[in-house]
Amino acid sequence: EIVLTQSPATLSLSPGERATLSCRASQSISKYLAWHQQKPGQAPRLLIYDASHRATGIPARFSGSGSGTDFTLTISSLEPEDFAVYYCQQRSDWPPLYTFGQGTRLEIK
Amino acid sequence: QVQLQESGPGLVKPSETLSLTCSVSGGSISTYYWNWIRQPPGKGLEWIGYISNSGSTNYNSSLQSRVTMSVDTSKNQFSLKVNSVTAADTAVYYCVRGRDTSNWLEYWGQGILVTVSS
Repeated sequence: EIVLTQSPATLSLSPGERATLSCRASQSISKYLAWHQQKPGQAPRLLIYDASHRATGIPARFSGSGSGTDFTLTISSLEPEDFAVYYCQQRSDWPPLYTFGQGTRLEIK
Repeated sequence: QVQLQESGPGLVKPSETLSLTCSVSGGSISTYYWNWIRQPPGKGLEWIGYISNSGSTNYNSSLQSRVTMSVDTSKNQFSLKVNSVTAADTAVYYCVRGRDTSNWLEYWGQGILVTVSS
């Protein structure tokens, strides 16, 4: 089973700053990684899929990069509404299994 | 805009069967993949499995022996059953539509909290 490890566990930044979140896979997953944002009391929202493609309606300040085992989500300039928990997620077609990282909490400094 | 809404009992007794339904509006259930994800209180996300528009299923191997998914195209709904539940099955359960054939988890329901307790 592929394990996703996110770092850091918590990231404290101020609005306007740049955020860099990491996700490392225990084995190569090519480009098959997504990022989701979850705010308290809400369902997650898909931000990025296939490592670098923004989902519908996602602002351009969110970008994803990486392939193989190392991936990054970058938020270029933090807005107040960006403070949330972020999960990376991978999908494998065989055996079919989708797994999530443990999450990075992005909090206001 | 597609919308998904979970429904079902919020309280289930240990050893009984958890049954949830997801109602889909704004689009046909006859396409895409339809997933269930769960999140124990204060914890991370776990994929339970999916059912395709053709009715084929794939389940997380950790739950496979206890999970059944089905789809009712006449009602535009799909369902989840988890049998022999324990307190460890207490979670918010989300139904999620995949993005095209890739099945990236794109459209999420609001979630429903199911508590397993006597």
